[in-house]
Amino acid sequence: AQKITQTQPGMFVQEKEAVTLDCTYDTSDPSYGLFWYKQPSSGEMIFLIYQGSYDQQNATEGRYSLNFQKARKSANLVISASQLGDSAMYFCAMREGRRTGGFKTIFGAGTRLFVKA
Amino acid sequence: DGGITQSPKYLFRKEGQNVTLSCEQNLNHDAMYWYRQDPGQGLRLIYYSQIVNDFQKGDIAEGYSVSREKKESFPLTVTSAQKNPTAFYLCASNQGVIGNEQFFGPGTRLTVL
Repeated sequence: AQKITQTQPGMFVQEKEAVTLDCTYDTSDPSYGLFWYKQPSSGEMIFLIYQGSYDQQNATEGRYSLNFQKARKSANLVISASQLGDSAMYFCAMREGRRTGGFKTIFGAGTRLFVKA
Repeated sequence: DGGITQSPKYLFRKEGQNVTLSCEQNLNHDAMYWYRQDPGQGLRLIYYSQIVNDFQKGDIAEGYSVSREKKESFPLTVTSAQKNPTAFYLCASNQGVIGNEQFFGPGTRLTVL
């Protein structure tokens, strides 16, 4: 069954340091996509980064990178040079390709990140 | 500007009443979704629709109903059968390709008194 797990309810990081947010997933579909979103206290959802199951290289977007370990079924988000504005909830999400036609998207429980000055 | 609108932002209803949450998108996206978010929790999928006049149940569809009569609209009705409807409801859409990210509306916070 399709499943996303984020085991860190909360994380603290010092400003300007890097932090890794964990995400593991479970699927039997060989075709899938993995996403990370940020949700500030305002409630809006902000897309950060995407990794496809067939992508050979880890995705990067500015200060965000995705550490994709396919055999371990993990897709950890790495935020480099943390900023105070990075304090928010972070969600990992997965969309299966073949089984649901690439539409059904589920989310993990989230990790709340606190950046300390 | 293209985007997703949800109305209203805050909604109060008495217990036992049905209530319909609006979601409209002008992004020409095929797929639309409804998620429920409880305080400090993740997003749980209620319903999703791949195309007009078609929709599928998500993980927590009981007590909810939807329709997709137009490509741009995907209203969600919270029925009296939903045991604990107080929550934050998010609507999303994306083009029907696995790699396309979802675009989200601002959400509706429903409180049942």
